[in-house]
Amino acid sequence: DVKVTQSSRYLVKRTGEKVFLECVQDMDHENMFWYRQDPGLGLRLIYFSYDVKMKEKGDIPEGYSVSREKKERFSLILESASTNQTSMYLCASSLHAGRGAKNIQYFGAGTRLSVL
Amino acid sequence: QQQVKQSPQSLIVQKGGISIINCAYENTAFDYFPWYQQFPGKGPALLIAIRPDVSEKKEGRFTISFNKSAKQFSLHIMDSQPGDSATYFCAATRNTNAGKSTFGDGTTLTVKP
Repeated sequence: DVKVTQSSRYLVKRTGEKVFLECVQDMDHENMFWYRQDPGLGLRLIYFSYDVKMKEKGDIPEGYSVSREKKERFSLILESASTNQTSMYLCASSLHAGRGAKNIQYFGAGTRLSVL
Repeated sequence: QQQVKQSPQSLIVQKGGISIINCAYENTAFDYFPWYQQFPGKGPALLIAIRPDVSEKKEGRFTISFNKSAKQFSLHIMDSQPGDSATYFCAATRNTNAGKSTFGDGTTLTVKP
């Protein structure tokens, strides 16, 4: 089974702190994604990466950055946390379509971040 | 601009009833339509998916109906059970390497015993 592991289930940070959310997948997937999930707003894509060191902005990248130094690890960085970044953050991964895979995303359990 | 519209936002069904969740998309380039199920405290997980060249796909009590001309698809849960209580997301994807998906806003289903 594909496993996507997010390093923390719950985080509490203070306004202005730099926050790192880590995600690791164990199935050699090329694509990795960061979403935030808020009630009534569904899953909103923050950033995604289709290869090591490659990244692209999603729909709501402001206030976030990402890092992908190794294929299995994708980090989300909040440079200066603000209260409006309090949310559930979900990481996901998928195979490249070129490997004959269906476009299915596998999600981690999420990190609930509270910024005080 | 939302490309996948999902309704209803919430749904309450009695045990044994039929749950129906609808989605509509705009981009005709989408070529794969998965549904994800998310239980509280968990991440979404694939439930069932369909390609646009098929009008219906059934897996157990879960069925996707797909209407390509109307650009609509729906999830039907037959004989709904309390264990089906979860949030359901429809999605639409293009078969590109980057594998981005566009998600609906989700439907919270409650099945009452």
